[in-house]
Amino acid sequence: GAVVSQHPSRVICKSGTSVKIECRSLDFQATTMFWYRQFPKKSLMLMATSNEGSKATYEQGVEKDKFLINHASLTLSTLTVTSAHPEDSSFYICSASLSSGALYNEQFFGPGTRLTVL
Amino acid sequence: GQQVMQIPQYQHVQEGEDFTTYCNSSTTLSNIQWYKQRPGGHPVFLIQLVKSGEVKKQKRLTFQFGEAKKNSSLHITATQTTDVGTYFCAGRNNAGGTSYGKLTFGQGTILTVHP
Repeated sequence: GAVVSQHPSRVICKSGTSVKIECRSLDFQATTMFWYRQFPKKSLMLMATSNEGSKATYEQGVEKDKFLINHASLTLSTLTVTSAHPEDSSFYICSASLSSGALYNEQFFGPGTRLTVL
Repeated sequence: GQQVMQIPQYQHVQEGEDFTTYCNSSTTLSNIQWYKQRPGGHPVFLIQLVKSGEVKKQKRLTFQFGEAKKNSSLHITATQTTDVGTYFCAGRNNAGGTSYGKLTFGQGTILTVHP
């Protein structure tokens, strides 16, 4: 149980286009989802926390107009990279917790999306 | 803000040798979690430590949480080639009442095991 999927797994796009990444909890309801960015051989940098039905909470330094997050249902959160540029190329990973407000729940990670902007 | 430092960044061992990675937080943690990420994969939850001084074991893996709840370690006894990957610690701090589950990840330790 507690499986998280991400789509697409890999995307290559031209500079200036927008890319949408979907994160789904397949067998549980996730009131809270997290979006991370990971550079090669580097740690996971939290970008934002997404709560179902409310606005996402962005970490300092993350442009909310650049990285649009929508969490419209208990099983789906989306991250849209708007007007992508080569510096946005990265590995984007989502994770989900079983319930919001819980202190001790582990996070279940999706398989990640490799974004390459040409 | 909260910072979680992890050392070493890289560790190369011969199969059968032991391995340890250390994690230190700038603030007291409510709990700490450990994740393993295989090359090309995504992080997978290993364990969570909550209590001060807690020690947990999973076969050849031993996890410790410091008395002050600001540091933690992961020790692998007699490494195997299947242990290869990046090990991350991730701390959660409930200071200020924020309890939505935000984790701060350490930089990770990349472990390579030579057969």
